[in-house]
Amino acid sequence: AQTVTQSQPEMSVQEAETVTLSCTYDTSESDYYLFWYKQPPSRQMILVIRQEAYKQQNATENRFSVNFQKAAKSFSLKISDSQLGDAAMYFCAYRGARQGGSEKLVFGKGMKLTVNP
Amino acid sequence: ETGVTQSPTHLIKTRGQQVTLRCSSQSGHNTVSWYQQALGQGPQFIFQYYREEENGRGNFPPRFSGLQFPNYSSELNVNALELDDSALYLCASSLGLAGGGTQYFGPGTRLLVL
Repeated sequence: AQTVTQSQPEMSVQEAETVTLSCTYDTSESDYYLFWYKQPPSRQMILVIRQEAYKQQNATENRFSVNFQKAAKSFSLKISDSQLGDAAMYFCAYRGARQGGSEKLVFGKGMKLTVNP
Repeated sequence: ETGVTQSPTHLIKTRGQQVTLRCSSQSGHNTVSWYQQALGQGPQFIFQYYREEENGRGNFPPRFSGLQFPNYSSELNVNALELDDSALYLCASSLGLAGGGTQYFGPGTRLLVL
C-alpha cells in the first residue's frame, strides 16, 4: 500500500521569505502523480501544484515549485516570497496512474504553515 | 465554469441516525470521490464513482454507501451513525484518467454526531 509522510507538523516563515515543505512517499508503482494541496481555515482543499512521475522536470506554478526526487521518493514544495495568504495546512498527496484502477488520493497528515508579518 | 459544491455545510445528528450528504461535481467531470477528514488528520478515501459505478473503496464499513446520478452528482449515505463518524466530509470531482486525475474539492460538510 502507498503511504505519504510529512514529518514536520508545523513550520513558520517570515513574509517575503522562502520556505520548503518536505514530503516523502512509498510506492512500488513506477507511474503516478503527486500533488500539494492547501487547506486554509475555510476548509476548502485547494490544489497548489501537481507533478507527473514520468516527467523529470520539476513543476512550477508562479511562486510555488517542487523538488521531485523519484529515486529518493521525495517531493518537497518551495514557496517563494511568502505571503500572509499562504498561511494554511498543506497536504502532500499521491495518486497511482494504473489504467482502470481507482484514482484515490493518499494524503499525508499535513503541515501547518504560519506566515509572520 | 461551476466548481464543486456540497450540501449541507454543517450537520448535527445523534448516534444511530442516518445521514445523506450531497455533492455536485464540477462541470464536465465524470468522477466523484469522497473523503473523510478527522480533526487534525489528512483526508481518508471512502469511495469513488465513475460514470455511476463504484470504482474503488477505502477501508470503511458497508454502512457507508454512495450513489452517482446521470448528471454525475453524488450522494454519500451513512447509516447507524457512530460518534467517530464526526468529521469533515470532502467531495472531489475529476475528469477521470483522461484529465490526468487531478481532483478538485468542494468546501466540505462538517458532521457532528452526538
